[in-house]
Amino acid sequence: AQTVTQSQPEMSVQEAETVTLSCTYDTSESDYYLFWYKQPPSRQMILVIRQEAYKQQNATENRFSVNFQKAAKSFSLKISDSQLGDAAMYFCAMEAAGNKLTFGGGTRVLVKP
Amino acid sequence: NAGVTQTPKFQVLKTGQSMTLQCAQDMNHEYMSWYRQDPGMGLRLIHYSVGAGITDQGEVPNGYNVSRSTTEDFPLRLLSAAPSQTSVYFCASSPGRILGNEQFFGPGTRLTVL
Repeated sequence: AQTVTQSQPEMSVQEAETVTLSCTYDTSESDYYLFWYKQPPSRQMILVIRQEAYKQQNATENRFSVNFQKAAKSFSLKISDSQLGDAAMYFCAMEAAGNKLTFGGGTRVLVKP
Repeated sequence: NAGVTQTPKFQVLKTGQSMTLQCAQDMNHEYMSWYRQDPGMGLRLIHYSVGAGITDQGEVPNGYNVSRSTTEDFPLRLLSAAPSQTSVYFCASSPGRILGNEQFFGPGTRLTVL
């Protein structure tokens, strides 16, 4: 069984500053993917970034980057130069088999102007 | 492409009523799935399908039925609604069984069972 844990229910960041969201996971599988999804107030789930467990290099997508620590089973998301449009719920998720995603409980990000 | 569409957007049911949540995708994706989202719990997998005619249970299947007669459609049926099924329901699809494929989500259906 897979588990994903997000320990921060809410994070606040000043516009243009950086915020880091934490995620830990557990799986016995050797090959898996990790994802961060964004859910704005519209409810739409949007893929932010993904990381394959076999790749050591941390994934980046514009202002979004991850810190993947495989041995520690940690997968944090860094949002740089935060913008008002980044305000949303962020979900960490893992896929270890068969396109089945296991999600964490989410972290709400507030961006202060 | 419309992507993944879900109807209705909102629904209120009384305990014991039945209904079907509709999901359709126009991307010719093999894989489709249903999740429910409850406060503080993220999304949990209800049922999934790896192709027409093939369905399987996810993490929380009780109280829900699915079928997949076409590639495009994957309806979720509540046979006898209960207040515990009050939730937001998301349908998702992805191109195939390859690990790491992006899943595309519909806009969700907010269901309230009184």
